[in-house]
Amino acid sequence: QKEVEQNSGPLSVPEGAIASLNCTYSDRGSQSFFWYRQYSGKSPELIMFIYSNGDKEDGRFTAQLNKASQYVSLLIRDSQPSDSATYLCAVNMDSGYALNFGKGTSLLVTP
Amino acid sequence: ETGVTQSPTHLIKTRGQQVTLRCSSQSGHNTVSWYQQALGQGPQFIFQYYREEENGRGNFPPRFSGLQFPNYSSELNVNALELDDSALYLCASSFAGFQDTQYFGPGTRLTVL
Repeated sequence: QKEVEQNSGPLSVPEGAIASLNCTYSDRGSQSFFWYRQYSGKSPELIMFIYSNGDKEDGRFTAQLNKASQYVSLLIRDSQPSDSATYLCAVNMDSGYALNFGKGTSLLVTP
Repeated sequence: ETGVTQSPTHLIKTRGQQVTLRCSSQSGHNTVSWYQQALGQGPQFIFQYYREEENGRGNFPPRFSGLQFPNYSSELNVNALELDDSALYLCASSFAGFQDTQYFGPGTRLTVL
C-alpha cells in the first residue's frame, strides 16, 4: 500500500507567522507532488505543484521537495486568517496520472 | 473557479438504490478522474477516464462504474448503494501529457440513508 502521510493537526499559528506543513510518501517512483487547500464543505483547490528537488516559490507559498528523503513541504509566509483550511498533500501514483492523497493537515491562523 | 462543473450538488438516496453523478471537464482538458472523500479523510481515487476508456482504477468494487463521452464529460454510476457510500464525490479534470495537474469541481455530496 503506497502511503502519503501528513500530521492531522490542528496546526495553530499566529497571524503573520510562517506556517510549515509536511508530508512524507512511500512510493520512490513518484514524480509529481501537489498541495491543495480545502475549506470546510468545499472542494480541493490547487495551490502548488512541484516536480524537481528543491524549492518552488509562488507568492506567499513555497513548496519544497526532497526525493531522497521522500518528503515534500509547504511553507506559507505571512499567514492570514483566510489561510485557515485543511491542506492536502497529493502524490501521483504509478498507475498513470491518478493522485494519492494524504488525510490533510488542518491549519488555524489566529488573529 | 476551475471551469469543472458537477451535478447535482447534493443528493439523498436510500440503501440499495442506484445513483448517477455528472461532471463536465475544464475546456481543453481530456482526462477526468473521480475521487471519493469521506468526512475527515483525503480524497480516494476511484477511476480515471481518458479518450472514453478507463485508464486506471482504485480499490473500489465493480458497482462503481463510469463513462466518458466524446466531449470529455463523464458520469460516475454507483449501484446497490451502501451506507458507507455517503461521501463527497469529486471530479477532477486534467490534460494528459502535461504531468497530471488536476483541477477539481465543486463536488457532489451524497447521503445514503
